[in-house]
Amino acid sequence: SQKIEQNSEALNIQEGKTATLTCNYTNYSPAYLQWYRQDPGRGPVFLLLIRENEKEKRKERLKVTFDTTLKQSLFHITASQPADSATYLCALDKDSNSGYALNFGKGTSLLVTP
Amino acid sequence: EAQVTQNPRYLITVTGKKLTVTCSQNMNHEYMSWYRQDPGLGLRQIYYSMNVEVTDKGDVPEGYKVSRKEKRNFPLILESPSPNQTSLYFCASSSTGSPQHFGDGTRLSIL
Repeated sequence: SQKIEQNSEALNIQEGKTATLTCNYTNYSPAYLQWYRQDPGRGPVFLLLIRENEKEKRKERLKVTFDTTLKQSLFHITASQPADSATYLCALDKDSNSGYALNFGKGTSLLVTP
Repeated sequence: EAQVTQNPRYLITVTGKKLTVTCSQNMNHEYMSWYRQDPGLGLRQIYYSMNVEVTDKGDVPEGYKVSRKEKRNFPLILESPSPNQTSLYFCASSSTGSPQHFGDGTRLSIL
């Protein structure tokens, strides 16, 4: 069955450092992969989408890589700030034909300390 | 402002008392979906709808019903709620191949 793995342990880093979160998947051939941010008690908010033919995508301090051979995506936040503290979810399309449905990982909690 | 609106935000009710959680989006999205989120289990899809009058089961549909009579609305119905349906619920909408927009969630407690 399709499986998405994100590090269940919280990631604690110091302000100004680069945070790197990992998303591994098995039994998938996703057409695209997405990253979302979720704050406690709130709905996930979309951050970045990367397609299978893209190796890397950037948006301000965020960078996502997508390695379809390793079946892995890395999500980087450079110059991290306490306001970046949240849970980050990766999501893959369930069925490349549907264009809609997503399977979500369980998320990794990031804590950035001053 | 583009948004997905869920109501109520919080609800405490008792076993067996039918309830409906409403979801409305103003982005003309074809696709809408309901998820529940539980500690340690992440987001799990309950039902989804590809368009008006088209709905299908997600991963955990038991005990839930949905309808899609209009494009903007996608209510979640619990005909006979039970304590194991206590959870945080999210509605989401999207267009094909696009990111999902989520509502702010409904925290449901069933006693």
